[in-house]
Amino acid sequence: NAGVTQTPKFQVLKTGQSMTLQCAQDMNHNSMYWYRQDPGMGLRLIYYSASEGTTDKGEVPNGYNVSRLNKREFSLRLESAAPSQTSVYFCASRPRGSGNTIYFGEGSWLTVV
Amino acid sequence: DQQVKQNSPSLSVQEGRISILNCDYTNSMFDYFLWYKKYPAEGPTFLISISSIKDKNEDGRFTVFLNKSAKHLSLHIVPSQPGDSAVYFCAASVGSNYQLIWGAGTKLIIKP
Repeated sequence: NAGVTQTPKFQVLKTGQSMTLQCAQDMNHNSMYWYRQDPGMGLRLIYYSASEGTTDKGEVPNGYNVSRLNKREFSLRLESAAPSQTSVYFCASRPRGSGNTIYFGEGSWLTVV
Repeated sequence: DQQVKQNSPSLSVQEGRISILNCDYTNSMFDYFLWYKKYPAEGPTFLISISSIKDKNEDGRFTVFLNKSAKHLSLHIVPSQPGDSAVYFCAASVGSNYQLIWGAGTKLIIKP
């Protein structure tokens, strides 16, 4: 009963380093999302994928890239990490026809020093 | 410009009493609203939702009220239990649009 799985759970990067956050869901959901959560702010959408093979920018896409590798997997890449990207990142998925109920992973804590 | 606002960063309630969490929005086009609950080190989990054609939706101890004229919704938890201690987020969207707009969250603490 895994649901949405994110890796890694914790990561410390130096400024300028690159890394990829991995996300996989086993619920056969069509849509997948990457959010970031910062203190005192709500979740903000970085990128989303409405279906396999498509990706679109959300509210805060700058500094990130994504890949919808297949229906299960949606990765988020930081090409050149900046301290402003220190945050908690959540991957989420949504089945077709669920309204706006989405299902989240446990989060990935990223610190850029 | 925050379209969804939760003005109380935290709320402390005695066990057994009613917890009322509030959320205000500015976009009159929002017609679907959700509440999510989040424990530390976990992702948010869906709690309850309401569409704008209703003014109330109930699920067990949880009731969400929607006042469209005031652009205000609230979540009532009765009776409050220790396991309800968590951060509660409200979110809103226009139709079945994927792009939920989230409030900053309210941390609910249930005192024994």
